[in-house]
Parts: sequence; C-alpha cells; structure tokens
Amino acid sequence: NAGVTQTPKFRVLKTGQSMTLLCAQDMNHEYMYWYRQDPGMGLRLIHYSVGEGTTAKGEVPDGYNVSRLKKQNFLLGLESAAPSQTSVYFCASSRTGPYSNQPQHFGDGTRLSIL
Amino acid sequence: KNEVEQSPQNLTAQEGEFITINCSYSVGISALHWLQQHPGGGIVSLFMLSSGKKKHGRLIATINIQEKHSSLHITASHPRDSAVYICAVRSGNQFYFGTGTSLTVIP
Repeated sequence: NAGVTQTPKFRVLKTGQSMTLLCAQDMNHEYMYWYRQDPGMGLRLIHYSVGEGTTAKGEVPDGYNVSRLKKQNFLLGLESAAPSQTSVYFCASSRTGPYSNQPQHFGDGTRLSIL
Repeated sequence: KNEVEQSPQNLTAQEGEFITINCSYSVGISALHWLQQHPGGGIVSLFMLSSGKKKHGRLIATINIQEKHSSLHITASHPRDSAVYICAVRSGNQFYFGTGTSLTVIP
C-alpha cells in the first residue's frame, strides 16, 4: 500500500520559475490537503479539496494554485516562485470531512528551495 | 496568534523516563490529533481524541475539553521515540497545528 505519495521529494528553483507538485493517494479518500511547514511555525494549510473537481482556499493560499481533476491526485502549482515559498510541503488525505473526525494520512514531504 | 500552543518546545530525556507533552488550544474543536514527525520528515497520526483518554502501547493521550488542554504521555521512553510530536485540532473545515515538541531520548 503506497498511501500518499508526493513527487518530487526535492527541488531547487530560481525566482520566477514555475512548477507543479503532485500528490497521489490510493486510499480512495475524498479530502486532500496541501500544507507548508516552516521553521518555528506549525503546519499551515494552503489549499484543500473536498472531492474531485472542487478546491478551496486554506490559511495561506496566495501564490499557489491547485487542481483536483482526478479523485486520487491533487496538484499544487507555483506560477512564479518566490524565495518566501521556500518550505517543506506536505500533502495529506482523509476519508471524509471534518465532522466525521477521520485522521489525515500524510505524504513524506517535498523540500522546495527558491533561489 | 497561535490557535494551538505546545510545551515544552524541546525535551531531552534518559531512556526509561516518563514523558509528558502538553497542548493547549483556543478554538472550538471537533477533535484533537497527536502526530509524530520522524527525523526523515514523514508524519504519522498517533491519536485522534474528542474526549477522555486513549492508549496505544506505551503512548497515552488525554484531553480535557472544558480546559481546552491535551497531554501526550510516553511511558518507559526509548531512543526510537525521538521525534517531533505535533498537536493539531480540527475546527470547522480547518486544521490548526502546534509548532511541535522535539523529543530526544538518550540511551
């Protein structure tokens, strides 16, 4: 069982470049999330999705876009990377929504550096 | 403003010691999660609580809804318990995370 898989694991970009982070889950989960983790701060929600074809903004959505064209995949895009987006990015998924209190399953993270 | 506060930030213990990590939160919640992040970065869910107490092996988690406080206890700590422990609460459609407690258990 792969669970939640993130690609790539590491990436270095120059300011202004664009890239897409891919998150794939094989658990048939409805909910998927993108977080960033920065030193001295807790995980912060960037965007999330409650199902195929739907996305919503989290706490820190600026500078990012997402798409959920297939239920198993949740893509995070940086259109014009900035040094402030240097971070570790985590994807997570859960079976159902907030009121069912299902746990989240996390990927191993993507370490992104913007020069 | 942090909706979730953890203490201590860093903790070093000798193998075998009893360990307590605390979490306080300021928002109304539907559930509280304890997560473990290993040095390699992977995050796993340890517990999900909405009331009372849960036990899994040497780990015990408690929550007091009235006081908006939760504790994670590790009995007979072992070096493999060394990790960052993160408290997270679910409020509405959002998760709020603490900054984590870095635990090092020395043999």
